[in-house]
Amino acid sequence: QVQLVESGGGVVQPGTSLRLSCVVSGFTFTNYGMHWVRQAPGKGLEWVSFIWYDGSNKYYADSVKGRFTISRDNSKNTLSLQMNSLRAEDTAVYYCARAGMFGYDAFDIWGQGTMVSVSS
Amino acid sequence: EIVMTQSPDTLSVSPGERATLSCRASQIISTNFAWYQQKPGQAPRLLIYGASTRATGVPARFSGSGSGTEFTLTISSLQSEDFAVYYCQQYSNWPPFTFGQGTKLEIK
Repeated sequence: QVQLVESGGGVVQPGTSLRLSCVVSGFTFTNYGMHWVRQAPGKGLEWVSFIWYDGSNKYYADSVKGRFTISRDNSKNTLSLQMNSLRAEDTAVYYCARAGMFGYDAFDIWGQGTMVSVSS
Repeated sequence: EIVMTQSPDTLSVSPGERATLSCRASQIISTNFAWYQQKPGQAPRLLIYGASTRATGVPARFSGSGSGTEFTLTISSLQSEDFAVYYCQQYSNWPPFTFGQGTKLEIK
């Protein structure tokens, strides 16, 4: 069945880095764009980043621009999020989500999330 | 940035009754609009896309309407499993993709 599985979360100190992964299965990865969305504890949903189906275009929320990098390896059905210079306000559950190739679609499939906690 | 504003923040409804949730966009977004349901400890689930199309497997008691800047999610007869937080979202003018703050639907 269609599945997105995130990993890589953990507890880190401010200023450090972390890399999240999302492995997908059950569908043709190259037919879809992919998003990262986060949710701080007790808060709402915040879009983080989007990458086109072929990786040629990438977009970021202002809150993470210059610190986070989205990428994908279509040969390994894997989406990644490299997070540098982490701040306390980056603490959240991070979800990967599937969407259309170019972004003009709803997020139809979501992973279960991975928790990132930034604390000294 | 398009701001999405949901109302009310909390809605108390009895099982079997109808629930109506609203969302307003700060700019015209046509029907590039979705509703999601999130239960505690779970990932969000797509309910409605294109403002009015139910996603696969979503029961017929869920319906979406609206276009432009005003949107509504109606749950015709609430079941116990429907009590959750609901988010609206626009995917018309981005980045960023923006969500509403959420409406918590609770049992009255």
